[in-house]
Amino acid sequence: AQSVTQLDSQVPVFEEAPVELRCNYSSSVSVYLFWYVQYPNQGLQLLLKYLSGSTLVKSINGFEAEFNKSQTSFHLRKPSVHISDTAEYFCAVINGGSQGNLIFGKGTKLSVKP
Amino acid sequence: NAGVTQTPKFQVLKTGQSMTLQCAQDMNHEYMSWYRQDPGMGLRLIHYSVGAGITDQGEVPNGYNVSRSTTEDFPLRLLSAAPSQTSVYFCASSRPGALSEAFFGQGTRLTVV
Repeated sequence: AQSVTQLDSQVPVFEEAPVELRCNYSSSVSVYLFWYVQYPNQGLQLLLKYLSGSTLVKSINGFEAEFNKSQTSFHLRKPSVHISDTAEYFCAVINGGSQGNLIFGKGTKLSVKP
Repeated sequence: NAGVTQTPKFQVLKTGQSMTLQCAQDMNHEYMSWYRQDPGMGLRLIHYSVGAGITDQGEVPNGYNVSRSTTEDFPLRLLSAAPSQTSVYFCASSRPGALSEAFFGQGTRLTVV
């Protein structure tokens, strides 16, 4: 069965520092990869996704993630974080050809300190 | 445009009680699903539906029932609540297929005492 591993449960960083949130998935013939963000006491929102094409995908608020097939990774990065980026981030995968069931990692809590 | 609406937002149940968590979407999405979120566990799929009249089990279906009589609504029923069902429940909807963005409700925080 497909699985997603987020290696860090919590990542504390200072404001304006770079950050990387790691995500690895179990290999499959074809997968679609997603990062969702959950702000405190809210539902999940799609941050960015990789479906095909360019392996580097970007969000509108400065995050980016790179699909690396050989390393089965989809790490999320931001060169300079803001206090408002404090949230929990979930990596998720869908098997190509499936009905669309998202399989989530356990989440990484990003805490940005002033 | 309301998106995905879940009610109630908070609920406390006694062990053995039953209740229904409501989920409604106004985007005409065929695919709907229920997840539970527990600390350190991420989100786990309970049940899902690919259209009216069609439901299927996810990763953790025990203790939960669902039905899908309309495209808009996908209620989740707890027939006899147990403390292990204390969790935050999220409903999501999307167009069918792997490429569509899933839209999530705000969640229902359920405590079973």
